[in-house]
Amino acid sequence: AQTVTQSQPEMSVQEAETVTLSCTYDTSESDYYLFWYKQPPSRQMILVIRQEAYKQQNATENRFSVNFQKAAKSFSLKISDSQLGDAAMYFCAFQFFTGTASKLTFGTGTRLQVTL
Amino acid sequence: GAGVSQTPSNKVTEKGKYVELRCDPISGHTALYWYRQSLGQGPEFLIYFQGTGAADDSGLPNDRFFAVRPEGSVSTLKIQRTERGDSAVYLCASSLTGYTGELFFGEGSRLTVL
Repeated sequence: AQTVTQSQPEMSVQEAETVTLSCTYDTSESDYYLFWYKQPPSRQMILVIRQEAYKQQNATENRFSVNFQKAAKSFSLKISDSQLGDAAMYFCAFQFFTGTASKLTFGTGTRLQVTL
Repeated sequence: GAGVSQTPSNKVTEKGKYVELRCDPISGHTALYWYRQSLGQGPEFLIYFQGTGAADDSGLPNDRFFAVRPEGSVSTLKIQRTERGDSAVYLCASSLTGYTGELFFGEGSRLTVL
């Protein structure tokens, strides 16, 4: 079974500063995807960034980037130039494919606060 | 529609009652997922549809939970004899295909069982 661990229940960052959210996972699969989702109070999960396990290059999406360490099974999210709108719950998620299913397994989340 | 639509947004019911939650996915998306998110937790997988069939229902907690997608678009999650432990946000997501596509989530249905 796949597990995803987020060890930081809450993080705080000042506006314009940089913050890193941690995520580790456990799997025996070799081909999979990793995601970071943002969940604001509206409850809707919004995709922030995705990483294919076969790609060595770390994914980047504007102010968001990841540090993917496949051997260590680590997948951290870096948010640069933090903005007030970044405040939300952030979930790390793992996805693999069995031929009939491609379900996501989520971590327990990190609540990010952004202060002035 | 433009996004995944879920109704009702909030539902309060009494223990033992029957509840239906509806999900209207993005038009043309063949894959549909139901997740349950308890307070302070990440979403947990319930069931996955590819077209009209349930390709994976391994996350349904017991036989009180059932989901259908009769025409391959709208899906209904049905909960019989609700219990207080069923209180959670039920999230629906759809994807163009079931394999490599991004999942698009709705805003969820918050179920409260008194």
